[in-house]
Amino acid sequence: KAGVTQTPRYLIKTRGQQVTLSCSPISGHRSVSWYQQTPGQGLQFLFEYFSETQRNKGNFPGRFSGRQFSNSRSEMNVSTLELGDSALYLCASTRPEAGGTDTQYFGPGTRLTVL
Amino acid sequence: KQEVTQIPAALSVPEGENLVLNCSFTDSAIYNLQWFRQDPGKGLTSLLLIQSSQREQTSGRLNASLDKSSGRSTLYIAASQPGDSATYLCAVRSNSGNTPLVFGKGTRLSVIA
Repeated sequence: KAGVTQTPRYLIKTRGQQVTLSCSPISGHRSVSWYQQTPGQGLQFLFEYFSETQRNKGNFPGRFSGRQFSNSRSEMNVSTLELGDSALYLCASTRPEAGGTDTQYFGPGTRLTVL
Repeated sequence: KQEVTQIPAALSVPEGENLVLNCSFTDSAIYNLQWFRQDPGKGLTSLLLIQSSQREQTSGRLNASLDKSSGRSTLYIAASQPGDSATYLCAVRSNSGNTPLVFGKGTRLSVIA
């Protein structure tokens, strides 16, 4: 069974640009969560999507947005990039509905560098 | 607001030692607690998940315990090996389960051969 995949793995952008990251969950998983990881703040929750609906949202500015498609694949977008957006962006999928264990399975992450 | 703390931030032990990693959380009304392992520059690998009704979970050389009343969890690693070197993260999901995971900042473990 394939794991969570994220593309691209590495990105270099300049301030002011925008970026789109993609996440494909494990087959059968309908919940996708996004996290930002930095050395100073650790792992911080961005948002969660379940069946194409945003179910939870973290405390990030509106420049950060996401969506989920009918096949459960998810994208997140960051507009007007700032230097502080440089981070490892992690996606996780889970199957929280009946019978699911709620274990979160993480992808390898996308390393975003903003110059 | 749930806060998760992991102490120590870093730990170095010789190969073969048994060790304990600590995790504390401020709100005892949790749904579950999960331990993860992260290798440098990589994603997270789930190690153990403890539901709020459970006291411990075991997988191989790993044993995780949960004491909700005191807001603590421990991850016990038996007979440590150099391959155990990684950052270990604790994460808590509160209340109903439809709330996001709150992570600690992790303990960076080095096992010296």
